[in-house]
Amino acid sequence: DAGVIQSPRHEVTEMGQEVTLRCKPISGHNSLFWYRQTMMRGLELLIYFNNNVPIDDSGMPEDRFSAKMPNASFSTLKIQPSEPRDSAVYFCASSLESLAGAINEQFFGPGTRLTVL
Amino acid sequence: KNQVEQSPQSLIILEGKNCTLQCNYTVSPFSNLRWYKQDTGRGPVSLTIMTFSENTKSNGRYTATLDADTKQSSLHITASQLSDSASYICVVSAGQAGTALIFGKGTTLSVSS
Repeated sequence: DAGVIQSPRHEVTEMGQEVTLRCKPISGHNSLFWYRQTMMRGLELLIYFNNNVPIDDSGMPEDRFSAKMPNASFSTLKIQPSEPRDSAVYFCASSLESLAGAINEQFFGPGTRLTVL
Repeated sequence: KNQVEQSPQSLIILEGKNCTLQCNYTVSPFSNLRWYKQDTGRGPVSLTIMTFSENTKSNGRYTATLDADTKQSSLHITASQLSDSASYICVVSAGQAGTALIFGKGTTLSVSS
């Protein structure tokens, strides 16, 4: 398996532009997570999907951020309009959630480094 | 407030030496504790996952310990190698479902020859 695939790997854009980050989870996994990583705050969970349904989006910073998962093999994270403070590395992770109480290991993609000028 | 604190923030050691990284947490309800290794420019990779009842778990030269009473964990690296240079992140899983992950800010380890 190729693991979690993210694109693009690097994105440089100007303030006010729309940015779309893409993620393909590991085949067969039923949960998908979007994280943001900065030096100041470390890794933070933005949103979590289970079976393509958003379960917890309490980490989404504001209305400028939106995420979708139209099917089990694809998800997007969109920022519109982007701001310089959105500059960070955005990670997508997936896991297979099975039995209640079971430990579900998350597998991370390589990340997208976003720079907003 | 759920928090995970790691120390030291950074560490430099010579190749072949051992080191221990610390993690203190205040997370409730506790589900499990994970250590991740993150190489520069890459996503985190899981090293160990421990539940409440586990005191220690090893993965090659990496050994993690957990004291659920004091809410402390440590990651011991034996006979360090240059490839161990990375950020090591302690993550505590909260809640019954265990999907809410609270991340520490990591310890940056540099192994020099």
